[in-house]
Amino acid sequence: GAGVSQSPSNKVTEKGKDVELRCDPISGHTALYWYRQSLGQGLEFLIYFQGNSAPDKSGLPSDRFSAERTGGSVSTLTIQRTQQEDSAVYLCASSLTTASAKNIQYFGAGTRLSVL
Amino acid sequence: GQSLEQPSEVTAVEGAIVQINCTYQTSGFYGLSWYQQHDGGAPTFLSYNGLDGLEETGRFSSFLSRSDSYGYLLLQELQMKDSASYFCAVRDQGGFKTIFGAGTRLFVKA
Repeated sequence: GAGVSQSPSNKVTEKGKDVELRCDPISGHTALYWYRQSLGQGLEFLIYFQGNSAPDKSGLPSDRFSAERTGGSVSTLTIQRTQQEDSAVYLCASSLTTASAKNIQYFGAGTRLSVL
Repeated sequence: GQSLEQPSEVTAVEGAIVQINCTYQTSGFYGLSWYQQHDGGAPTFLSYNGLDGLEETGRFSSFLSRSDSYGYLLLQELQMKDSASYFCAVRDQGGFKTIFGAGTRLFVKA
């Protein structure tokens, strides 16, 4: 596709349920990032994948959060036993990593997660 | 660790010039980036400084001083559509992990 695609755009769930959020990066982009943004706040880094390297999971807030990237393309962020504090917009971005340090990230429109 | 500080809000009038500052503390440094985000929208890349000095892209310019761990985004000839949040961001040392500032909300008044 032309840009980063995320689905669903909105997700309402009950506390304690598991949710899966999907990200389709720009074709050919080797790096993929997940961020969390609470209302009116900045972007909180969660995890990133770079090629075939082990992902950097240092931003995941708890072991209820996990992510995988299959075939170097599509990624799924899973939140188990959701809590109300997990309510936020989850943003995915991808970039074409090169020798350049610029590393422009292209963002999807996000998934707005509401935990009731 | 890494941290970035920027003002939470800035208000300016249409046609004016506004500067949004960003100071950072990093264990390494791979340049300072700026992103714009309109309400309900996705962040979009605006500018990048890898070396000291000024980078100009149309009405937007960005400046970096590595010795001062400081940068700014300069918006000229402000338009109502520039009302948005602006984030500075740095890459973590040795990888592509990116840390964003909390964002500066710009209000442009007529």
